[in-house]
Amino acid sequence: GDSVTQMEGPVTLSEEAFLTINCTYTATGYPSLFWYVQYPGEGLQLLLKATKADDKGSNKGFEATYRKETTSFHLEKGSVQVSDSAVYFCALSVTGTASKLTFGTGTRLQVTL
Amino acid sequence: KAGVTQTPRYLIKTRGQQVTLSCSPISGHRSVSWYQQTPGQGLQFLFEYFSETQRNKGNFPGRFSGRQFSNSRSEMNVSTLELGDSALYLCASSLSGPGGFETQYFGPGTRLLVL
Repeated sequence: GDSVTQMEGPVTLSEEAFLTINCTYTATGYPSLFWYVQYPGEGLQLLLKATKADDKGSNKGFEATYRKETTSFHLEKGSVQVSDSAVYFCALSVTGTASKLTFGTGTRLQVTL
Repeated sequence: KAGVTQTPRYLIKTRGQQVTLSCSPISGHRSVSWYQQTPGQGLQFLFEYFSETQRNKGNFPGRFSGRQFSNSRSEMNVSTLELGDSALYLCASSLSGPGGFETQYFGPGTRLLVL
């Protein structure tokens, strides 16, 4: 079946540090890939997405590139801020069950001054 | 445009009871999906409704059911509650016509505690 594997957290970084959160996937079809963010006490917000190989999704300084050859969609940000502290989820959906998102376990990011 | 709203936000029930959660999608969205979030199992897909019909279903027991109304509002019901049903239940809506994927917008969730 379809699955998403994320790096274990928590990830603790100092402000202005470089962020990478690894995400790899297994899918039976040709998936679309997403990163969602969850702030404390809130629901999920779509951070970025990519729908085909080599696409790069970007938003608010975050980027991720759809790598079909390595089945990966790693999240990066060049300089994190305290306000980026949240839980980040990698997810996929496949054609045919387009509205069903399969999520990774989430990675908690804590950014300190 | 108003976002996805879920009611109630918090709920406490006891084992054996049943519960109904409500979700109002973004205006114009016809697809509503439900997810369960727990510390142990993470985010798991429950089911999706489109135009009042269940279109996709996850691997949950029959105690979990849902429906969608003609105005696209959706409800999910859990009967005979168990302690393990304690979770954050998230609803998401999208335009999502047949065969395509549209961005899903999530509500704030309903936190259910079963005692």
